[in-house]
Amino acid sequence: EDQVTQSPEALRLQEGESSSLNCSYTVSGLRGLFWYRQDPGKGPEFLFTLYSAGEEKEKERLKATLTKKESFLHITAPKPEDSATYLCAVRIPSGGYQKVTFGTGTKLQVIP
Amino acid sequence: KAGVTQTPRYLIKTRGQQVTLSCSPISGHRSVSWYQQTPGQGLQFLFEYFSETQRNKGNFPGRFSGRQFSNSRSEMNVSTLELGDSALYLCASSGGAGETQYFGPGTRLLVL
Repeated sequence: EDQVTQSPEALRLQEGESSSLNCSYTVSGLRGLFWYRQDPGKGPEFLFTLYSAGEEKEKERLKATLTKKESFLHITAPKPEDSATYLCAVRIPSGGYQKVTFGTGTKLQVIP
Repeated sequence: KAGVTQTPRYLIKTRGQQVTLSCSPISGHRSVSWYQQTPGQGLQFLFEYFSETQRNKGNFPGRFSGRQFSNSRSEMNVSTLELGDSALYLCASSGGAGETQYFGPGTRLLVL
């Protein structure tokens, strides 16, 4: 069965303390891996799309990487405004089309 | 370019009633997907529409249905509401297969 697992479930960092969030997946035929950020009560905000192992993308303090079994979201010198839930999702073939499956997210809190 | 819009933003209903939620995708996007988000289950896929055709459906009862119009706007309907249907309902649009999904702000449904 296709699975997407994110760890840790929650992470508390001091401002400036770098860390990484993990998204591991067991799927057949990955067509894309997505990272989103979600603030409470709002819709997920798109961050990155990765398509193949070895690919990396960066945006401000965030860097996403992809291997054949997992993806990491590295946060360098985080600030309090980076506090949010970070969601990982994979797009896989389904019934002749494709579907997107989400992980349960990592809730990040950055303390000043 | 305007983002994905959803209406209404908040709804309160009672058990047994039915509800219709609306989603307008980003201009030019032909694919619309719906998700249910609850604290316990995370983001669960409901269904996806492309050019007025349902391409995929998640594991939800038949009380959940949707449709897409020729202008790509989409509606989802939940009949005979249950307490467990209380959730944030999110709509996402994309340009087509394999492309990134962009989310709307969601509709918060409370069933009493």
